[in-house]
Amino acid sequence: GAGVSQTPSNKVTEKGKYVELRCDPISGHTALYWYRQSLGQGPEFLIYFQGTGAADDSGLPNDRFFAVRPEGSVSTLKIQRTERGDSAVYLCASSFRGASGTGELFFGEGSRLTVL
Amino acid sequence: GQQLNQSPQSMFIQEGEDVSMNCTSSSIFNTWLWYKQDPGEGPVLLIALYKAGELTSNGRLTAQFGITRKDSFLNISASIPSDVGIYFCAGQLANTPLVFGKGTRLSVIA
Repeated sequence: GAGVSQTPSNKVTEKGKYVELRCDPISGHTALYWYRQSLGQGPEFLIYFQGTGAADDSGLPNDRFFAVRPEGSVSTLKIQRTERGDSAVYLCASSFRGASGTGELFFGEGSRLTVL
Repeated sequence: GQQLNQSPQSMFIQEGEDVSMNCTSSSIFNTWLWYKQDPGEGPVLLIALYKAGELTSNGRLTAQFGITRKDSFLNISASIPSDVGIYFCAGQLANTPLVFGKGTRLSVIA
């Protein structure tokens, strides 16, 4: 597609459940980012991929969070044993050059996660 | 870690007025960017600044990269209703991910 595509757009789950969020970046973009945005806050960095490898995962809050990008295109953010505090909008972004480039990230519309 | 302080947090202005918002940091950045986010959407890039002192325009928007590399401002001239939204500044130091401010929420009264 023309832009970054994220699915699902909305996910409601119960505390303790496992969740997967998917991101399909802009074709040809080598870098992919996951950010988390809580209500009234700016996006907070979680993890960045350059190709298939996680170049920087310093933003992942704990070991319940994990992300993969096995073929260097689509990425999946995985959250185990969800907690109410995980409720947020999870934004995916892609760029052509990566962190050492211009910082011009193109964002998807986000996946809104609600943990009851 | 790096923190960006945006001000004001929110503003209500009349249509046609000019708007000014700014962003300061406790540390230097090599790149400053300004994004706009509409409800239910992801942030969209408005202006990117790559050099200290740089002044860049995009239509009615003008942004500057502060000479200390620790601040940036965004001006919007002659505001219109579609300018409503949340404006985020973001800074980047080489080889590190973008750091975002908390945003300035702009409301335009027709």
